[in-house]
Amino acid sequence: AQSVTQPDIHITVSEGASLELRCNYSYGATPYLFWYVQSPGQGLQLLLKYFSGDTLVQGIKGFEAEFKRSQSSFNLRKPSVHWSDAAEYFCAVGAPANTDKLIFGTGTRLQVFP
Amino acid sequence: DAEITQSPRHKITETGRQVTLACHQTWNHNNMFWYRQDLGHGLRLIHYSYGVQDTNKGEVSDGYSVSRSNTEDLPLTLESAASSQTSVYFCASSPETGLGYEQYFGPGTRLTVT
Repeated sequence: AQSVTQPDIHITVSEGASLELRCNYSYGATPYLFWYVQSPGQGLQLLLKYFSGDTLVQGIKGFEAEFKRSQSSFNLRKPSVHWSDAAEYFCAVGAPANTDKLIFGTGTRLQVFP
Repeated sequence: DAEITQSPRHKITETGRQVTLACHQTWNHNNMFWYRQDLGHGLRLIHYSYGVQDTNKGEVSDGYSVSRSNTEDLPLTLESAASSQTSVYFCASSPETGLGYEQYFGPGTRLTVT
């Protein structure tokens, strides 16, 4: 069965520092992978997604993620964090045969200090 | 602009009462989903629909029901509310099946069962 693990529940970084949020998935083949962001009191917004091809994916707001098949990972990165990036981040996986149903990780809450 | 809305945004109800949460989208999307979000669990799928008159159970469907009488709406009903159903509920929609189309999320409904 598919599953997603986000090992870090809470991360704190200083504004301007680099960021990496971890995501590991379990699936027998290459899955479809997504990162969503949830600002306080808001719904989820898609940051980026990976289906195939180039394993480094660019998203909105300066985020990128790299798919590493050998490590079953899809980590989210940003070179310089802004205070407005403080939010909760969710990794999700969809099976190619059934991508309409997504399995979400438990989320990582990002706190940004000035 | 097309959008997805949820109402009410906040609801307090008593144990045993029937509660219906509304979800309305104006994108004309075929697929609609209901999730609940709980600390430590991320988002879990309750029910989903691939079109009018189609409904399917998700991971945590017990105690919930949905109906799809038109493309725009997928109301979620709690037949007899329980304290364990206190949660934040998100509705989402996507245009087509397969190919990993993005899911678009509503702003959420915070439900408290006392």
